[in-house]
Amino acid sequence: RKEVEQDPGPFNVPEGATVAFNCTYSNSASQSFFWYRQDCRKEPKLLMSVYSSGNEDGRFTAQLNRASQYISLLIRDSKLSDSATYLCVGPLSRGGSNYKLTFGKGTLLTVNP
Amino acid sequence: NAGVTQTPKFRVLKTGQSMTLLCAQDMNHEYMYWYRQDPGMGLRLIHYSVGEGTTAKGEVPDGYNVSRLKKQNFLLGLESAAPSQTSVYFCASSKLATDTDTQYFGPGTRLTVL
Repeated sequence: RKEVEQDPGPFNVPEGATVAFNCTYSNSASQSFFWYRQDCRKEPKLLMSVYSSGNEDGRFTAQLNRASQYISLLIRDSKLSDSATYLCVGPLSRGGSNYKLTFGKGTLLTVNP
Repeated sequence: NAGVTQTPKFRVLKTGQSMTLLCAQDMNHEYMYWYRQDPGMGLRLIHYSVGEGTTAKGEVPDGYNVSRLKKQNFLLGLESAAPSQTSVYFCASSKLATDTDTQYFGPGTRLTVL
């Protein structure tokens, strides 16, 4: 089983829609997760960290569900500029060091006018 | 403050040739990483370094070597390139090894091995 798994999509939504991505993880001991955003042919950039209490930043909300071992990203009022691939990221459990990350394969989001 | 830079941006090699990818960061970060990204595979860690003079293997280290002679630079070498090493290579750095520390990525190197 992969360390983190996410629905590859693609998700096609109209402007203004609310869209949610889920990501499951295999290591129940994992403490820290992140959502990165990657634009086409660009490098990944941190979007949000995911805390046990949830994390909200404007239109974006990230949550962690430890019981079911998944994290989620909710985007409200989608903008055209939100079109990107969203990467679910967690600690690489092999070796036990949190500074090594494992990346999901990404979920492609396209927001249409 | 340039952040993380990578050279070259693009390269085409023939099978068996060698090359070195250079990563530089000006943020005084301790930790540096090399990843490869392939379609349908996501980002995979090749090698990483927790400080000047140190290196360690990641998930997919075979066929690559690295060196961290200076804190700001992390070099990735391919001694004998193979078509399977065609990929986009990203370097990243982070300040600390804490749970919440951000990794900052360079713009990537697109490598094609013929």
